[in-house]
Amino acid sequence: DAGVIQSPRHEVTEMGQEVTLRCKPISGHNSLFWYRQTMMRGLELLIYFNNNVPIDDSGMPEDRFSAKMPNASFSTLKIQPSEPRDSAVYFCASSLGLAGGQETQYFGPGTRLLVL
Amino acid sequence: GEDVEQSLFLSVREGDSSVINCTYTDSSSTYLYWYKQEPGAGLQLLTYIFSNMDMKQDQRLTVLLNKKDKHLSLRIADTQTGDSAIYFCAEIPTGGGNKLTFGTGTQLKVEL
Repeated sequence: DAGVIQSPRHEVTEMGQEVTLRCKPISGHNSLFWYRQTMMRGLELLIYFNNNVPIDDSGMPEDRFSAKMPNASFSTLKIQPSEPRDSAVYFCASSLGLAGGQETQYFGPGTRLLVL
Repeated sequence: GEDVEQSLFLSVREGDSSVINCTYTDSSSTYLYWYKQEPGAGLQLLTYIFSNMDMKQDQRLTVLLNKKDKHLSLRIADTQTGDSAIYFCAEIPTGGGNKLTFGTGTQLKVEL
């Protein structure tokens, strides 16, 4: 299996621009997670989906952030407008499910975002 | 607090054993995980332990779980320079949905 795929791997943009991060989970996995990693705050869960439905978005920092999962093999995390404090590494992860031994999450390589 | 705690740094000599410690928050957590992050890379799942186990061994890795003290450790035998990375422990607390709560990470430096 190719593992979790994220694109782009690196993104540099200017403040105010829209940023779209993409994720393809492992085939057959029903749950998808978006995390953000910064030096100051470590790893934070932003939102997660199960069977394409958002389950918990309480970690999304503000309305500038939105995430969608239109089908089982694709999700996007969008920041509009972007700000310098959004600079971080954004990870996508997927798991078979949410319980019953299916909770183990596998991470993608991350997207390194720099907002100037 | 709800923090999963780890020491920030560990330095060992190549060939020695490394022990990375973690104190987690929820004694009812079902699974506890160890992830490895190399510089500039994503998180790689190393191993996990189910809460009804005290120990799990996987080649050079040994995980010990002390549920009473909510203490988890990762032992790496015969540590190699390629083991230099940041190691995160993580738990899924009961009632936390499926939210992985990560520790702060321990940076392991392996010296020749």
